[in-house]
Amino acid sequence: GAGVSQSPSNKVTEKGKDVELRCDPISGHTALYWYRQSLGQGLEFLIYFQGNSAPDKSGLPSDRFSAERTGGSVSTLTIQRTQQEDSAVYLCASSSAGRGYGYTFGSGTRLTVV
Amino acid sequence: QQQVKQSPQSLIVQKGGISIINCAYENTAFDYFPWYQQFPGKGPALLIAIRPDVSEKKEGRFTISFNKSAKQFSLHIMDSQPGDSATYFCAARTDSGTYKYIFGTGTRLKVLA
Repeated sequence: GAGVSQSPSNKVTEKGKDVELRCDPISGHTALYWYRQSLGQGLEFLIYFQGNSAPDKSGLPSDRFSAERTGGSVSTLTIQRTQQEDSAVYLCASSSAGRGYGYTFGSGTRLTVV
Repeated sequence: QQQVKQSPQSLIVQKGGISIINCAYENTAFDYFPWYQQFPGKGPALLIAIRPDVSEKKEGRFTISFNKSAKQFSLHIMDSQPGDSATYFCAARTDSGTYKYIFGTGTRLKVLA
């Protein structure tokens, strides 16, 4: 596609429920990143996928968070047993080269846990 | 050591004025320093970037000044316009094989008409 597509754009969920956030990167981009943006905070790195390499999961805040990337394209970020502190905007970015130049971000998914 | 400290948190500038946003870092392994611009409801978009072997980079009204010895870099927006009102993030890239960015906490800029 022309840009990075994320869905849903908004998600309201009850505390304790699981949610799945989807990212469809730019076609041909081999690198895919997930970041979290909390109100008044910067962007917090969550996870990175590059080709067939093992993902860098060093930013995932707890074992309730997981992500996968199928076929080197679409990625899904899953949050299990959501908590109120998980409320944030979840941003996906992709890059054409593994060295991270020229990230293109999607518009994000605003997650609200009530 | 992985932090990027950004200031100010918010900035109000008159139309035509100069907006200046500052960032500081500690990790000398950072090797690429972009600035991102984010409008409400949108993802951040790359605005301008610099490598540490260059002291200044200019693109239109936007200039990055980089001071390697002080480990500081700044964004200058000349002739600021109301359309520049957005949140600006500085970032630093880690050359660690993952090439992920560490972002500052953002500066909310408002340019008054």
